[in-house]
Amino acid sequence: AQSVTQLGSHVSVSEGALVLLRCNYSSSVPPYLFWYVQYPNQGLQLLLKYTTGATLVKGINGFEAEFKKSETSFHLTKPSAHMSDAAEYFCAVSDNTGNQFYFGTGTSLTVIP
Amino acid sequence: ETGVTQSPTHLIKTRGQQVTLRCSSQSGHNTVSWYQQALGQGPQFIFQYYREEENGRGNFPPRFSGLQFPNYSSELNVNALELDDSALYLCASSKALIGSYEQYFGPGTRLTVT
Repeated sequence: AQSVTQLGSHVSVSEGALVLLRCNYSSSVPPYLFWYVQYPNQGLQLLLKYTTGATLVKGINGFEAEFKKSETSFHLTKPSAHMSDAAEYFCAVSDNTGNQFYFGTGTSLTVIP
Repeated sequence: ETGVTQSPTHLIKTRGQQVTLRCSSQSGHNTVSWYQQALGQGPQFIFQYYREEENGRGNFPPRFSGLQFPNYSSELNVNALELDDSALYLCASSKALIGSYEQYFGPGTRLTVT
């Protein structure tokens, strides 16, 4: 069975500050991990994914995440927050068949000018 | 390249009624997944269709059913609607390729059950 826990349902950062959104997963098989962003009244957009290979994954809009197997974590970071980053962020896990995705409950990011 | 589209955008139904939601896949995608996103929650996997057959199912009762058509578009049907079925229903399409599994989401259908 697989599951995702996102620590912190709300995160606020100042514009230009580091963004860190936390995600821990549980999986009985090697996981595929994803981060999605959702803007109000829109669907989800893929930011980045980890399947195999390099554990530091770079995505769109300056975001990156590192897969740490020993910590069962896949935290999302961005060095400098921009106002346009304000949105809901979801971490998701899948097995290597891609048949089922399990999403966390989301983290709402607020960027303070 | 056309993205994932869903219809209708909004829908209001009465408890006990039936509803059909529709999804058109992104061009070149052969797999469709449906999710239910309750207010303030993450998407919950309902089921996935590949080549017109159900290819995985989440923890949803049989009154949630689906179809995939030869052009890879899909329908989600919900019978005997309950108040808790009120949610945003998301459709996502993908290519069934090893090592891929990127899902592209539509904007969703907002279902309100009264």
